[in-house]
Amino acid sequence: EADIYQTPRYLVIGTGKKITLECSQTMGHDKMYWYQQDPGMELHLIHYSYGVNSTEKGDLSSESTVSRIRTEHFPLTLESARPSHTSQYLCASSGRGAHTDTQYFGPGTRLTVL
Amino acid sequence: AQSVAQPEDQVNVAEGNPLTVKCTYSVSGNPYLFWYVQYPNRGLQFLLKYITGDNLVKGSYGFEAEFNKSQTSFHLKKPSALVSDSALYFCAVRRSGGYNKLIFGAGTRLAVHP
Repeated sequence: EADIYQTPRYLVIGTGKKITLECSQTMGHDKMYWYQQDPGMELHLIHYSYGVNSTEKGDLSSESTVSRIRTEHFPLTLESARPSHTSQYLCASSGRGAHTDTQYFGPGTRLTVL
Repeated sequence: AQSVAQPEDQVNVAEGNPLTVKCTYSVSGNPYLFWYVQYPNRGLQFLLKYITGDNLVKGSYGFEAEFNKSQTSFHLKKPSALVSDSALYFCAVRRSGGYNKLIFGAGTRLAVHP
C-alpha cells in the first residue's frame, strides 16, 4: 500500500456548507492529482499539481479549488457545496524514485451533499 | 485523440478458470500503460505497468498483461481466477505532454463465481 492518506473517508453535509477534503502523502512525490468518480464509473481528473505553488485544472470542470503550499499536502476545497457535488473524490501522487510514472491512490472521500 | 477503451462492462468467469480483461489504447508516441484494481469503497491499487521491454508484464496478485503494439492492446490476464479477484479494473495510458497525467478507461467489472 502506498503512503497516501485522505480524510474524511465519508462526509455528509448540507447545501451551502464550505468543506475541505484533505490529502497527504509521505513519499516526497512532487506531482499530485484529484479525481472525481461516481460509484463504479470512470475517473475524471479535476486538478493536478506538479510541485509546490503550482496547480492546474484538469479535464472535468469543477467548482472546487486546490492549494499546494507543502509538498506532502494537497487539500481540495468547495466554498459552497451543492447536491451536484455528491461523488467520490480520489487523491493520487507520483514522482521520485523507481516508479516516477506510477500514480498511487489514497482510499478516497465519499461526499454526500443533501 | 488520446483514449483508452475497455470494451466490456463486465466479465464473468468461474473460479479456477483463466480470465482476460481487454484494453485498447490510442496515444501518440510510445505508450506507458497501466492496470489498476478498485475494491468497493476503496481507492485504486496499482497492479502493473508497461513502459518498455518484454511485451508480457507480470504484476501483483498473479496478474499479467500482454502489450501488443500492432493491435494497440494491453489485455490483463490471470491463469486461474479467484473469487477474491472480483472487483473493478481500470486500464490507463499516460498522456503525451508531461506531468504524468493518465487517461483512464471506463472500467470493467470482473465477477468470479465459485
